[in-house]
Amino acid sequence: SQQGEEDPQALSIQEGENATMNCSYKTSINNLQWYRQNSGRGLVHLILIRSNEREKHSGRLRVTLDTSKKSSSLLITASRAADTASYFCATDADDYKLSFGAGTTVTVRA
Amino acid sequence: EAGVAQSPRYKIIEKRQSVAFWCNPISGHATLYWYQQILGQGPKLLIQFQNNGVVDDSQLPKDRFSAERLKGVDSTLKIQPAKLEDSAVYLCASSFMRGGTDTQYFGPGTRLTVL
Repeated sequence: SQQGEEDPQALSIQEGENATMNCSYKTSINNLQWYRQNSGRGLVHLILIRSNEREKHSGRLRVTLDTSKKSSSLLITASRAADTASYFCATDADDYKLSFGAGTTVTVRA
Repeated sequence: EAGVAQSPRYKIIEKRQSVAFWCNPISGHATLYWYQQILGQGPKLLIQFQNNGVVDDSQLPKDRFSAERLKGVDSTLKIQPAKLEDSAVYLCASSFMRGGTDTQYFGPGTRLTVL
């Protein structure tokens, strides 16, 4: 079974707007990662946040982690057409493997 | 640096036939993963190798799926016989070390259609 669940399932925004998606998980984790998947391609690692961190930035990406609520959010600021993709959260629990959610599909309209 | 290579990119077979996928990880990466991604879902780990040994195959349907990693480098994943529900993208990934704290690098995947 999948550990993480993303919300919303799909998101459509105008170029230049911000996109926010959330991930909820069930068990305690060591870290949480976000990946991007463009249509027909493999996944690309975006950012990793450890369980003792609350916020992390990478370029136009901002990730937050609330371990008390077992949730994380990914914010993409000033979106571009190239940000159109599916975004997955993946959790690392104590078994040293990643469990992926079902993903959020983001469409950025020109 | 070359990425993770997979072949073929696409494969169409009839049910009950067999199929094999090949993966060449990034040079120097000790850990190799095979994932199954069904349309509309996230990747599901099938098997994880550390060098040439299996460290996790708990979600591999062993009655029909098999995988090997010869000499700790390339890997093949085989399905025999295939079922309709095996239609999916099969992703190979590698990481320098074992574990969820290490970034996994994914190949482009093999899209399998079982008719």
